[in-house]
Amino acid sequence: NAGVTQTPKFRILKIGQSMTLQCTQDMNHNYMYWYRQDPGMGLKLIYYSVGAGITDKGEVPNGYNVSRSTTEDFPLRLELAAPSQTSVYFCASSPTPFGGYTFGSGTRLTVV
Amino acid sequence: DQQVKQNSPSLSVQEGRISILNCDYTNSMFDYFLWYKKYPAEGPTFLISISSIKDKNEDGRFTVFLNKSAKHLSLHIVPSQPGDSAVYFCAASAFRKTSYDKVIFGPGTSLSVIP
Repeated sequence: NAGVTQTPKFRILKIGQSMTLQCTQDMNHNYMYWYRQDPGMGLKLIYYSVGAGITDKGEVPNGYNVSRSTTEDFPLRLELAAPSQTSVYFCASSPTPFGGYTFGSGTRLTVV
Repeated sequence: DQQVKQNSPSLSVQEGRISILNCDYTNSMFDYFLWYKKYPAEGPTFLISISSIKDKNEDGRFTVFLNKSAKHLSLHIVPSQPGDSAVYFCAASAFRKTSYDKVIFGPGTSLSVIP
């Protein structure tokens, strides 16, 4: 049982480049989330989805986009990477809307 | 403006003693609270939760206490073990059975349990 799988684990991007962070879950959870964690800070919600075809913005959506074409996959797209997007990104899923998430192991992104 | 605060960035405790991690919140609409534990290079894992209809919830060595009037909760770990060394995040949300409301995370407290 894989849970939530994120790829890649590490990535270095140059300013202005784009990339997609992949997230897949095999628990048939309807709810999926993307968070970023900056040093000394809590997890900030970027985007979330309550089911296939439905996504919405979180606290810090600027510079990111998401899609949810299937229950399993919830990719996060960074367009025109900026140094402020240097962070650790976590994808999570849950069967209910109020917490008890299963998190992936994270993607450490550096923008130089 | 931080809605969920963990004012101690770090805490050191001797093995076998009690660890107490504290969390304060400002939003009176929050009525569901969670603790997550995070090891380096891993994602957070769910530890324990409590709803506002309770003031205590226990799971093995972990107990969460909620003081609604003070908008304060705490996580007690007894006895503390070296494997408990991790970052602990407090999180809060307004419980809605059929729709999503954001879960807000605190900045975390790094616990070191010294053998």
